[in-house]
Amino acid sequence: ELKVEQNPLFLSMQEGKNYTIYCNYSTTSDRLYWYRQDPGKSLESLFVLLSNGAVKQEGRLMASLDTKARLSTLHITAAVHDLSATYFCAVDKGNKLVFGAGTILRVKS
Amino acid sequence: NAGVTQTPKFQVLKTGQSMTLQCAQDMNHNSMYWYRQDPGMGLRLIYYSASEGTTDKGEVPNGYNVSRLNKREFSLRLESAAPSQTSVYFCASSALAGGGYTGELFFGEGSRLTVL
Repeated sequence: ELKVEQNPLFLSMQEGKNYTIYCNYSTTSDRLYWYRQDPGKSLESLFVLLSNGAVKQEGRLMASLDTKARLSTLHITAAVHDLSATYFCAVDKGNKLVFGAGTILRVKS
Repeated sequence: NAGVTQTPKFQVLKTGQSMTLQCAQDMNHNSMYWYRQDPGMGLRLIYYSASEGTTDKGEVPNGYNVSRLNKREFSLRLESAAPSQTSVYFCASSALAGGGYTGELFFGEGSRLTVL
């Protein structure tokens, strides 16, 4: 059974500092997805990582995938208030996605 | 471009009542999904439909039924609602990964269900 673990589950960030969220998964998969969810809203796709070593960047966020270690990281550079949200990783299991519990990010001034 | 549309957005039920959540997508996707979201548990798959005419159980199917009415529509039915089914329900669709498609899910806005 595929299990997806994110840590930390809650992250209080200071503006301007760098942070990393980790996503570990238990069985082999070559596809991993990152989503963002604002309070009371739906999920928005951030990154699609489709192979070992894949790296994607958008603004202050960068995601990477190491399929051998079964690990993806979401790196935040110089956090700003607009990044406050819940971030989910999801791993493909036969064209179904298994989600982590989510990481709540809060950026404080 | 509407994407994935869910109705209703909010619903309050009494224990034992039944209801159907409707979902439609206009992206010509083959696959459709129903997830529920509970605090601290991420999203858990209830049922999915890989293509028109097929449905399969996900991680938490008990107490639910689904119908893939056609390629566009996938409904979720609660036959006898229980307080444990109080949750936010998300419908999603995707093109299967491969052939230039990434397999990412596109989500509806969610349906907030409370069972008293």
